[in-house]
Amino acid sequence: EAGVTQFPSHSVIEKGQTVTLRCDPISGHDNLYWYRRVMGKEIKFLLHFVKESKQDESGMPNNRFLAERTGGTYSTLKVQPAELEDSGVYFCASSWQTSGQETQYFGPGTRLLVL
Amino acid sequence: AQKVTQAQTEISVVEKEDVTLDCVYETRDTTYYLFWYKQPPSGELVFLIRRNSFDEQNEISGRYSWNFQKSTSSFNFTITASQVVDSAVYFCALSEAYSGAGSYQLTFGKGTKLSVIP
Repeated sequence: EAGVTQFPSHSVIEKGQTVTLRCDPISGHDNLYWYRRVMGKEIKFLLHFVKESKQDESGMPNNRFLAERTGGTYSTLKVQPAELEDSGVYFCASSWQTSGQETQYFGPGTRLLVL
Repeated sequence: AQKVTQAQTEISVVEKEDVTLDCVYETRDTTYYLFWYKQPPSGELVFLIRRNSFDEQNEISGRYSWNFQKSTSSFNFTITASQVVDSAVYFCALSEAYSGAGSYQLTFGKGTKLSVIP
């Protein structure tokens, strides 16, 4: 069974540009999470989809970030316009059930560098 | 609010030594779940273990063991006879059992970078 995949693995862009990150969850997983790790800090929650609906987007830093999950399959996270502080590693995770005990399986992350 | 503290930023051990990674957590919930993930140099987060707050039994899986103590709010991870392949960043994480927002997001510690020297 394929794991969570993310694309691209790396992205280097200039301040003010737009970047779109993609996450493909494990097949059959209704729950999809986005997290971010800024250099030297904790991995922090951004938002959670249940199928195509946003269950919780309390971790989204500002309105420059837009996440979608059309059709309840893959998800995209767009940053527009990107700022220097957006640099970090963006992780996607998926789980089957919406439950605290459900294990979230993570992808390899997208390393974003904004210059 | 939930919080996870991994006080050890980096640890270096010589191969075959035992090493313990500390994790201390804070939560007001009585029911919660604790996790450990491993991040090897390739970058992905690999799930290692999940424990619920009602199960304080220690767990052993090969060279890995976990010590969960509610009295000290700790969930420590020990690697016995460490190997070079154990070199990675290890994250401890916490999730609540009942979420008003229905999110069950993970709260992570900052991670401990383990280097096993041959």
